[in-house]
Amino acid sequence: GENVEQHPSTLSVQEGDSAVIKCTYSDSASNYFPWYKQELGKRPQLIIDIRSNVGEKKDQRIAVTLNKTAKHFSLHITETQPEDSAVYFCAASNGGGADGLTFGKGTHLIIQP
Amino acid sequence: NAGVTQTPKFRILKIGQSMTLQCAQDMNHNYMYWYRQDPGMGLKLIYYSVGAGITDKGEVPNGYNVSRSTTEDFPLRLELAAPSQTSVYFCASSYSTSGQGYEQYFGPGTRLTVT
Repeated sequence: GENVEQHPSTLSVQEGDSAVIKCTYSDSASNYFPWYKQELGKRPQLIIDIRSNVGEKKDQRIAVTLNKTAKHFSLHITETQPEDSAVYFCAASNGGGADGLTFGKGTHLIIQP
Repeated sequence: NAGVTQTPKFRILKIGQSMTLQCAQDMNHNYMYWYRQDPGMGLKLIYYSVGAGITDKGEVPNGYNVSRSTTEDFPLRLELAAPSQTSVYFCASSYSTSGQGYEQYFGPGTRLTVT
């Protein structure tokens, strides 16, 4: 089955700086890659996703890049703010996301004031 | 819309007891999912359903059962609770077609402790 590795497990950045979280996946048939944000004690919420026919997608301060050849994808957050502090999870699916997701172990992003 | 709702919020079970975690959605989504999240880990798929009457196993189905008699409801049954089932359980739903999934909306979770 699919295996998703996520790095780093903890990331501390100064407010206003950029943060990058990286994930690799094992199944070359995977074609859907969402990113979820989870605040302490809350449910995961989708922040951005990308499909395998696209190399990059942006939404305001957030962007995701996908390298299918290397089987890795990354989340980029620019101009970080205190409210960006949370745990971020990457995920992958080979069913376009319909048949469930395989998640990474998460990255705890800490924004230092 | 209430979105995805789950009951109960918290539950403590003794080893060997049984219980049903309830999940309901009012968004007319066809796909529904159950995940578990162990401390400091990502979510793992237990079961999913593509519509009423159809369910399929995920990555970690052992010890669980599901049914889907209506579009709205997707209960998860634990028959003989074990300490290894201590976790936070999230239900999710999405509108999807075969091979094309869209955003999964998660419920608030059920925190289960088995002692």
